[in-house]
Amino acid sequence: EAGVTQFPSHSVIEKGQTVTLRCDPISGHDNLYWYRRVMGKEIKFLLHFVKESKQDESGMPNNRFLAERTGGTYSTLKVQPAELEDSGVYFCASSGTSGGYSYNEQFFGPGTRLTVL
Amino acid sequence: RKEVEQDPGPFNVPEGATVAFNCTYSNSASQSFFWYRQDCRKEPKLLMSVYSSGNEDGRFTAQLNRASQYISLLIRDSKLSDSATYLCVVNSGYALNFGKGTSLLVTP
Repeated sequence: EAGVTQFPSHSVIEKGQTVTLRCDPISGHDNLYWYRRVMGKEIKFLLHFVKESKQDESGMPNNRFLAERTGGTYSTLKVQPAELEDSGVYFCASSGTSGGYSYNEQFFGPGTRLTVL
Repeated sequence: RKEVEQDPGPFNVPEGATVAFNCTYSNSASQSFFWYRQDCRKEPKLLMSVYSSGNEDGRFTAQLNRASQYISLLIRDSKLSDSATYLCVVNSGYALNFGKGTSLLVTP
């Protein structure tokens, strides 16, 4: 079974440009998460989808970040316009439960390394 | 105050040694606790969940002290392949809260 995949693996852009990151979760997983690791800091939660709905976006840094999950399948995270401090590794994760509170293991993708120059 | 705090290390130990990592968390409402492992430039992977009664998986033993808000991981008989960053992770909902990680290098 395929794991979580992310595209691209690396992206180098200039300040002010737009970048769109894509995540394909494990097939059948309703929960999809975005996390980010900025250099020297811990991995931080950005947001959580249940199917196509945003369940929790409390970790989104500001309105330059827009996440979507059309049809409850893959998700995109757009940064527009990108700033220097957006550089880091963006991880996507998915898990399989959607009802009530219950922890199911979150499986992480390999991440997208974003560099803003 | 950070939600999850860990000693960043690095811990350099010889093969066969026993090494222990500690972690504290600030949110007393936290409900689930984990250790993840992350290899260099790779994604985090779940190593083990941590239960109140303590739990063991082969050479790995995890302990949780809810009163002290403290989590530990003990690795016995270290192998070269154990070299990685160990992330203490806590959640109180669906979002995971990560520590910065503790770096372990096992040497021959």
